[in-house]
Parts: sequence; C-alpha cells; structure tokens
Amino acid sequence: QVQLVQSGAEMKKPGASVKVSCKASGNTFNTYYFHWVRQAPGGGLQWMALINPSGGNTAYGHKFQGRLTVTRDRSTSTVYMELGSLRSEDTALYYCATRIMGNSPYYFDFWGQGTLVTVSS
Amino acid sequence: EIVMTQSLGTLSVSPGEGATLSCRASQNVNRNLAWYQQKPGQAPRLLIYGASTRATGIPARFSGSGSGTEFTLTISSLQSEDFAVYYCQQYNNWPPEFGGGTKVEI
Repeated sequence: QVQLVQSGAEMKKPGASVKVSCKASGNTFNTYYFHWVRQAPGGGLQWMALINPSGGNTAYGHKFQGRLTVTRDRSTSTVYMELGSLRSEDTALYYCATRIMGNSPYYFDFWGQGTLVTVSS
Repeated sequence: EIVMTQSLGTLSVSPGEGATLSCRASQNVNRNLAWYQQKPGQAPRLLIYGASTRATGIPARFSGSGSGTEFTLTISSLQSEDFAVYYCQQYNNWPPEFGGGTKVEI
C-alpha cells in the first residue's frame, strides 16, 4: 500500500496563494490516481481535484475552477495542490488521497495525514 | 450534482450493541457507494466500497448494503474503537459527493 506524507501547516492572508505537497512512498506513484479533499473545521468532506500522475491529466471541482492547480513531479513522487485567491472560508484541513488505477477512480483507498491551512488577516 | 443525505447527525450506542447508519442519494448511484470512518484528529479510512465490499483489513462486523438511492452501514457489535464519524460517498456521477456524516457516540 502507498504511504502519503503531506507538508506542514500554513497560515496565509486573504488573497494569497498556498501550495501543499503530498509525497508518495515506494515505486507506486504511477499506479494511483491522486485526489485532494478538504474538510472545514468541524465540517464534512469536500472533493476538490484529481490528477493522473502518468499523463498529468487533471479534473477540478466546479467550485474551485480558475483558482486551483494540481501538478505532479514524477522524479520525487510528489503531488502539489495550489489554491489561489484565498478567503477565510478556505480555512480547512486539506487531504491528499489515492485510488489505485482501474475502475472507479473516484473513491479513496489511502489518505495522507492532512495539512491545516488557515486564512486570516 | 448528487446530494448525499445522512439523516442521523448523531447516534448514541452502548458498547456491544449494534448500529445501523443510513445514507440516501438524490439520484440513482447504482452500487457506487463508499463508506469511511473518521476518528478525531485522524484522516478518514475507507471501510466499504461497491456498497457492500469491505476494504482490506476491515473487520467483518462492518457490513454495507443497498443500491440505487438507499444505503445502510451496519456495525454488528460496537467496540470502543468504532466510536467515530462515518461518511458515505457516491462515485457513480462526477463530481464525487460526500454525505454530512453520522457521529456514533457512546
């Protein structure tokens, strides 16, 4: 199974951008889809985006179109999530999660530990 | 977009008792439904996919059923480690959507 290690907590001002990383262990990078899911404090889960690390293809949730970019670095088995034009409502735990390639790419087998992003002036 | 509703916000159960959690989809999602468990301070963990298939390492006391728009997660005899929040998620239609969660408390 893959292990996912995310970067540390971030504090940003409104209007800024944040970039969170997710490093996958082992030689399994190209066998998983990578997703980003966020969770507001005390709230539920919200899917944000998917990336196929093989070709770099991405899919973004409608709510985040235009200010979310997900990329990958195959040389380091790392996926990145960059969210711009931050507002207070973006304060949340951001999780990276994976789904092994095959059927049904849109549920999540393994999860990272989460990265807290706080947006405050 | 499909709306996933978990009508029970909180379910109070004694250890050793069973628990039944429900999840409803606003449209037919066939059997493309997953359940996750989340404990405080931890990431969610996949319990069930395909409405009824347990993920690797998940104890047999967890079972899922349903299809279409009505789904159920049953925990046959709650252990102390089962007290957590449970989320359902549909993946039949894009985008994937989660329910609001049911907290199972002692």
